[in-house]
Amino acid sequence: TQLLEQSPQFLSIQEGENLTVYCNSSSVFSSLQWYRQEPGEGPVLLVTVVTGGEVKKLKRLTFQFGDARKDSSLHITAAQPGDTGLYLCAASNFGNEKLTFGTGTRLTIIP
Amino acid sequence: GAVVSQHPSRVICKSGTSVKIECRSLDFQATTMFWYRQFPKQSLMLMATSNEGSKATYEQGVEKDKFLINHASLTLSTLTVTSAHPEDSSFYICSASGGRAAGNSGANVLTFGAGSRLTVL
Repeated sequence: TQLLEQSPQFLSIQEGENLTVYCNSSSVFSSLQWYRQEPGEGPVLLVTVVTGGEVKKLKRLTFQFGDARKDSSLHITAAQPGDTGLYLCAASNFGNEKLTFGTGTRLTIIP
Repeated sequence: GAVVSQHPSRVICKSGTSVKIECRSLDFQATTMFWYRQFPKQSLMLMATSNEGSKATYEQGVEKDKFLINHASLTLSTLTVTSAHPEDSSFYICSASGGRAAGNSGANVLTFGAGSRLTVL
């Protein structure tokens, strides 16, 4: 079983601060995705990264895929209350649509 | 964009009864659907892979006789929790493969339903 460990598990910060969430594994993946999930809803895809070292930006969110394709990070600049939610990384391998989800990071932005 | 609908969104049932949850791809055909369960404050755990026209593939530790999956058409998969017990109470989420999501890089992209919260009394 491929494990994706996310850190921190919980994070509560003030509005306007910056933060980074990490997703780590000992396995290599062909692609990695980040999702945000709000209570009582399904996860919503934020980004997909497929190339080692790839960096993608989505407004205030910056996603990076590790060079060895074993880890990823999500950096949020100037966090806003609307960023509050459960952030999940998920990975898959070539030829397999199954996603393995990370342990999750529950983020709370305090106004 | 691709949309996946789950029904019901919430269901409460008595212990010992069976509950059926539907997962529909509304604007695309999904040859493969996945079923997950999520306990409070935890991540999603894959239960099974549902392929249209064939038997579902269950993950290790998931009882196939307990969680019946049927994928009779390219737009519908159902999960039936048989003889439900309080420990089966959870948030069940499906996802479907085959939709087109904006911004993806050609990698495996799944569209998730909004989830179904099951409470067994």
